[in-house]
Amino acid sequence: DSGVTQTPKHLITATGQRVTLRCSPRSGDLSVYWYQQSLDQGLQFLIQYYNGEERAKGNILERFSAQQFPDLHSELNLSSLELGDSALYFCASSARTGEFETQYFGPGTRLLVL
Amino acid sequence: AQSVSQHNHHVILSEAASLELGCNYSYGGTVNLFWYVQYPGQHLQLLLKYFSGDPLVKGIKGFEAEFIKSKFSFNLRKPSVQWSDTAEYFCAVNAPGGSYIPTFGRGTSLIVHP
Repeated sequence: DSGVTQTPKHLITATGQRVTLRCSPRSGDLSVYWYQQSLDQGLQFLIQYYNGEERAKGNILERFSAQQFPDLHSELNLSSLELGDSALYFCASSARTGEFETQYFGPGTRLLVL
Repeated sequence: AQSVSQHNHHVILSEAASLELGCNYSYGGTVNLFWYVQYPGQHLQLLLKYFSGDPLVKGIKGFEAEFIKSKFSFNLRKPSVQWSDTAEYFCAVNAPGGSYIPTFGRGTSLIVHP
């Protein structure tokens, strides 16, 4: 157990819908990262938040957004869902940001868009 | 931009065989290097990491990796694999050029036959 929690574990929804994925980082970690894992794309970095502020952006679609709250938990919002959004979404956390940081991953949310 | 290559996409071994998984990266400066393992249906777990110092790094479960700067490589090794090592293995690199956001390789699927 890494100490990073994610809910829900599984999510089944329809195209066009909107969902929210939730992540709680390890105790004391200020940085949260979101990744999408699919068979064809591998593990793709989406976005990073550090202490409530957006820190870095990766291959995140405009239909997706995220935020980190004062208690440091983070939510990833996926809207206007398409079939191709079906994937595993992982959250990771690290103590801070930058060099010499190690990411610890949560169990993931498996999203299926029908 | 930094990139990570894992040349072996699928590896099949018998128990007690030796394992070496290749990882090469493209960034020329100081790097932090990681190997993660993902057991079937589970999240990514850190196997080992290299930040500085001794280029031969020992990790959990008998794994080790060697950083060879001149070859831009960080290969993962285990002298004798077990059936329980069946998993997906990911190499990751973070570097100043990538804002210290880890870039992951596409992964190597290892199947160990009992």
